[in-house]
Amino acid sequence: QQPVQSPQAVILREGEDAVINCSSSKALYSVHWYRQKHGEAPVFLMILLKGGEQKGHEKISASFNEKKQQSSLYLTASQLSYSGTYFCGTAEKLVFGKGTKLTVNP
Amino acid sequence: NAGVMQNPRHLVRRRGQEARLRCSPMKGHSHVYWYRQLPEEGLKFMVYLQKENIIDESGMPKERFSAEFPKEGPSILRIQQVVRGDSAAYFCASSTTGATTEQYFGPGTRLTVT
Repeated sequence: QQPVQSPQAVILREGEDAVINCSSSKALYSVHWYRQKHGEAPVFLMILLKGGEQKGHEKISASFNEKKQQSSLYLTASQLSYSGTYFCGTAEKLVFGKGTKLTVNP
Repeated sequence: NAGVMQNPRHLVRRRGQEARLRCSPMKGHSHVYWYRQLPEEGLKFMVYLQKENIIDESGMPKERFSAEFPKEGPSILRIQQVVRGDSAAYFCASSTTGATTEQYFGPGTRLTVT
């Protein structure tokens, strides 16, 4: 079952914040987050393995609510380099969501 | 440490020909995954392999598609008798252990079927 991501697309101005959500109708045991720029390979951002776990890398962080079967990716003070499509993936069947296209404008 | 290597980067095939896509995982990685991506769409899981074993091929079409990861050499995704609908970007990824570890993606092979 493919996880559902929301929103499908978001446009920000540099410095603004964004939240991308990922939810599943099946139990989630772990969540992967990746970013893909146009024409390039997906790049690993982070993986969350336990309910309640939160991780961060620079100004990008994520949380994992195992009970609610959802994860959220937080982008703070967005930079132009954050533009791309963000995918969440559920590890038990290696299924990725359809992605959220993030555009950061100057 | 070299990343995941894929070749060729671009492949053009006529309908009915065979396509062979190769993937060399990162050094020390024994798990390989293949994904297909259609333009403006997400990554669709195809198959998960370890050395000499297919662990999960639930995303592979039943006909014309096969994958292997031999003891020596790269993993190969083989598409026989290609059709226009096979045109897509094919990415492979590798990891050190199973699906709960991060996957590192190769640059992809863009297959065009004419």
